[in-house]
Amino acid sequence: GAGVSQSPSNKVTEKGKDVELRCDPISGHTALYWYRQSLGQGLEFLIYFQGNSAPDKSGLPSDRFSAERTGGSVSTLTIQRTQQEDSAVYLCASSLEASGGYNEQFFGPGTRLTVL
Amino acid sequence: GNSVTQMEGPVTLSEEAFLTINCTYTATGYPSLFWYVQYPGEGLQLLLKATKADDKGSNKGFEATYRKETTSFHLEKGSVQVSDSAVYFCALSVTSGGSYIPTFGRGTSLIVHP
Repeated sequence: GAGVSQSPSNKVTEKGKDVELRCDPISGHTALYWYRQSLGQGLEFLIYFQGNSAPDKSGLPSDRFSAERTGGSVSTLTIQRTQQEDSAVYLCASSLEASGGYNEQFFGPGTRLTVL
Repeated sequence: GNSVTQMEGPVTLSEEAFLTINCTYTATGYPSLFWYVQYPGEGLQLLLKATKADDKGSNKGFEATYRKETTSFHLEKGSVQVSDSAVYFCALSVTSGGSYIPTFGRGTSLIVHP
């Protein structure tokens, strides 16, 4: 079946603009995760959803970042008033569940965000 | 909080050399441990995993053993190939207080020369 897909694959925006990133998880996966990968910084966990709810939002870098998930499927990550330090690759992953023995994550190809 | 520490790279080896990439962790509770790999131009994918102490995960000639006494999950391969050149991420997952926050290491780049 289809893997995790993300759109757009690349996004160039101007400082101060809002951006919306989209993630389509694997069908049937109840858990969905957002990460940020900056050059030389590894993977930074942002937020995860179990179903439509996000039990812990403490990983979001600032209140300019928000995420939602509807229908237990598609998720959007919104960054308001983008700053240059937001430039990174934003990765989405999904798994059957968030915990237990079925939490192998399947990653999407990422969205490369560049803030000028 | 939970954390994962990996050896810094890049690790540069000749083909057929023995590989070890060290990974240690701190976690509350009983984590599952993972190695993910990111080949050039591709997304992360699971390489292997272990869900309890003394379990050995293996795949594509790579192995890692969950060592609770040393809180380690070192990745090994007996004979690397050029095609193994990639970035390797050690990770853990643990459920705590109804919340789940996966933790990844910073990644170790492996470069294998012919």
